[in-house]
Amino acid sequence: DADVTQTPRNRITKTGKRIMLECSQTKGHDRMYWYRQDPGLGLRLIYYSFDVKDINKGEISDGYSVSRQAQAKFSLSLESAIPNQTALYFCATSGRANQPQHFGDGTRLSIL
Amino acid sequence: EDQVTQSPEALRLQEGESSSLNCSYTVSGLRGLFWYRQDPGKGPEFLFTLYSAGEEKEKERLKATLTKKESFLHITAPKPEDSSTYLCAPTGGQNFVFGPGTRLSVLP
Repeated sequence: DADVTQTPRNRITKTGKRIMLECSQTKGHDRMYWYRQDPGLGLRLIYYSFDVKDINKGEISDGYSVSRQAQAKFSLSLESAIPNQTALYFCATSGRANQPQHFGDGTRLSIL
Repeated sequence: EDQVTQSPEALRLQEGESSSLNCSYTVSGLRGLFWYRQDPGKGPEFLFTLYSAGEEKEKERLKATLTKKESFLHITAPKPEDSSTYLCAPTGGQNFVFGPGTRLSVLP
């Protein structure tokens, strides 16, 4: 079983819809992250959380929100999806500061 | 503002032809630099951590090195299975900035 699991793996939806992407982990890490990846732009940080009571905005948080339901669960929501949010979304976890991140296999999101 | 660039953007090598990938960064208070590989349809997979200038790490045909401004990923006698996109990510401690990646193709 994967250590970091993202659901769904693929999603096609329409402009204006509310969407939730979910991430769960079995690594026991406190730190969790959401990124989006676009061709030529690399991975960009949306939100991150260092523990259940800690939520921080990343580089590109506008239009997104998150919820840290438990140490192992971190979800990303698009309240009203727009086409330029079409991208590949990744969840990641890490242990203490300055340790590498471990990624899920991503959610490919298309907004029509 | 933290910035990371990688070069070349894409690289095609014949099997056995050695080369190097570059990661240049401007990060305040560097705490570490990470290298990942990412295959199509997959999340990035961790390869190496480098914490200080002069440090080197090796794994099979890959060797990563670090200076105060750059990191290099040297690939010796690559095989087709080394084909992937290689990402570097320096960190100042709080979060990570990822480079755009180098797409490596190794032809048999």
